[in-house]
Amino acid sequence: AQSVTQLGSHVSVSEGALVLLRCNYSSSVPPYLFWYVQYPNQGLQLLLKYTSAATLVKGINGFEAEFKKSETSFHLTKPSAHMSDAAEYFCAVTPSGSNYKLTFGKGTLLTVNP
Amino acid sequence: KAGVTQTPRYLIKTRGQQVTLSCSPISGHRSVSWYQQTPGQGLQFLFEYFSETQRNKGNFPGRFSGRQFSNSRSEMNVSTLELGDSALYLCASSLSGGALETQYFGPGTRLLVL
Repeated sequence: AQSVTQLGSHVSVSEGALVLLRCNYSSSVPPYLFWYVQYPNQGLQLLLKYTSAATLVKGINGFEAEFKKSETSFHLTKPSAHMSDAAEYFCAVTPSGSNYKLTFGKGTLLTVNP
Repeated sequence: KAGVTQTPRYLIKTRGQQVTLSCSPISGHRSVSWYQQTPGQGLQFLFEYFSETQRNKGNFPGRFSGRQFSNSRSEMNVSTLELGDSALYLCASSLSGGALETQYFGPGTRLLVL
């Protein structure tokens, strides 16, 4: 069975600092990987997804993630945090080649301090 | 293009009652998935419907059921409510539920069971 582990339930950064949110996956074969963001009282919005086309994936709002098979990781980064980035971030996985059924990590709450 | 809509947005029920939640997907989308989000368990997959057929099901008791209509709108029903059913219920739609497709999430229905 697949799973994802997000290291750190809460990450706090200063405005303008690097954002690094960690995600490790467990799967017997390389899966499809996703990062979603959830703002308060809203649904989830897709930031980016890895589907084996390229290991470095660029998403919306300046976020990017790198797929590292050797480390089974898919960490999310943004060079410079903005106050509007404060939200909860979820890493998710689905088996490649199968119908859609996302398995989510527990989420990381990002706080951005002025 | 209108997004995924969910009704009602908020709901309060008492133990033992039943509840029906509704989800209208993005026009043209035929796959609808449902997720339960709680602070303790995080985001968990409930089930997915495509062309009025349930294709995937998560590990939830039979009290949780759903259906999809010919216009792709979906309903989710929970019978004999328990306190632990208090959660944010999210639905997501995609064109056909393929693993490479993006799922678009609605704002959710927040259910409180007293």
